[in-house]
Amino acid sequence: DTGVSQNPRHKITKRGQNVTFRCDPISEHNRLYWYRQTLGQGPEFLTYFQNEAQLEKSRLLSDRFSAERPKGSFSTLEIQRTEQGDSAMYLCASSPRDRSFGRSAYNEQFFGPGTRLTVL
Amino acid sequence: AQSVSQHNHHVILSEAASLELGCNYSYGGTVNLFWYVQYPGQHLQLLLKYFSGDPLVKGIKGFEAEFIKSKFSFNLRKPSVQWSDTAEYFCAIKNSGGYQKVTFGTGTKLQVIP
Repeated sequence: DTGVSQNPRHKITKRGQNVTFRCDPISEHNRLYWYRQTLGQGPEFLTYFQNEAQLEKSRLLSDRFSAERPKGSFSTLEIQRTEQGDSAMYLCASSPRDRSFGRSAYNEQFFGPGTRLTVL
Repeated sequence: AQSVSQHNHHVILSEAASLELGCNYSYGGTVNLFWYVQYPGQHLQLLLKYFSGDPLVKGIKGFEAEFIKSKFSFNLRKPSVQWSDTAEYFCAIKNSGGYQKVTFGTGTKLQVIP
């Protein structure tokens, strides 16, 4: 399967614990995105990487959240001191850069299956 | 700030009925517009997108959408739905500048009855 993969698929944790999720984008996609989706809502943008550089961060990304993409390939999203309000589906997406449209081009984002987090 | 509004949360149609899902957005500048679909048990995937040019955009599986700038709308249509179109549909926008943030609507669940 050459799509976006995310691990784990499900995570149950107790309030106050730290959790880390991993996203492996499609090979050679240099752009990677994290979203959060709660019940009855659409995905909410959290952050965006181009290669290893984190270029955009949403205000939703509190100081308890940190994302990395150290080698420009896979990415991790860590939540420290989890709260019940963090319970959600965390989605990762990746996209290639279309050089024909210039450096700000947008291409289709390919989404992974998500990691469902439940904080008890 | 950009925002997206989807009017219908849950739509139930019989097979062969026509479909129109509403989407309105709010943003002061130029936007790119998208419809994404999530079939049961599957990932989100792009249905169609509008960047510029012809405001009537055709996507996969017979779907189309029309961008009406004066109404800030990008409604999704299909002349004749099939049971396999049962899914959740999300409208989304992105400002056409360098920022990559995509803002999604709350989604519309479509149920097609055979």
